[in-house]
Amino acid sequence: GEDVEQSLFLSVREGDSSVINCTYTDSSSTYLYWYKQEPGAGLQLLTYIFSNMDMKQDQRLTVLLNKKDKHLSLRIADTQTGDSAIYFCAEGTGFGAGTRLTVKP
Amino acid sequence: DAGVTQSPTHLIKTRGQQVTLRCSPKSGHDTVSWYQQALGQGPQFIFQYYEEEERQRGNFPDRFSGHQFPNYSSELNVNALLLGDSALYLCASSLGGGGEKLFFGSGTQLSVL
Repeated sequence: GEDVEQSLFLSVREGDSSVINCTYTDSSSTYLYWYKQEPGAGLQLLTYIFSNMDMKQDQRLTVLLNKKDKHLSLRIADTQTGDSAIYFCAEGTGFGAGTRLTVKP
Repeated sequence: DAGVTQSPTHLIKTRGQQVTLRCSPKSGHDTVSWYQQALGQGPQFIFQYYEEEERQRGNFPDRFSGHQFPNYSSELNVNALLLGDSALYLCASSLGGGGEKLFFGSGTQLSVL
């Protein structure tokens, strides 16, 4: 099965950029995903990248994919307090443990 | 347009009991996946149903079983509950038998005492 790893915590100041990193082992999936989970809620699909791409930009979000190193990252520009949540990297049916992003005013 | 709905939202059971959780997929979706999310952890894949059959299964014992109905809704059944089964159970729907671009429900919080 898939093994997805990501760092558990990230703290940034409001207005800074946040970068959340993820590594995975299985490279057979068509897409790789980032999901967001707010307290008491299910997961929300935030963005995704096709496995043949190396970058995707979606407003404040930038996804970078390094297939050779099996490394995926999510950059959030101009991070806001409303971005505080847990962010999950996913590949196939495998999810990472989630990175808790805390945004300080 | 209704999203993924799950019922019940909370459930308390005792060890050894059996439980059934229910899920209705997002309108237009035909594939349902079930995940278990323990506190502080990422979702763990249980299984996926498409065309009323189990298509993929994660590393969960046979105590976990499921069903998909002709209207694409699904049930997750867990027999002989253990304390360790306490978790948030998430249902996700997608289209076309794949696990792509999942839409998640808010989950059922199961507590086993």
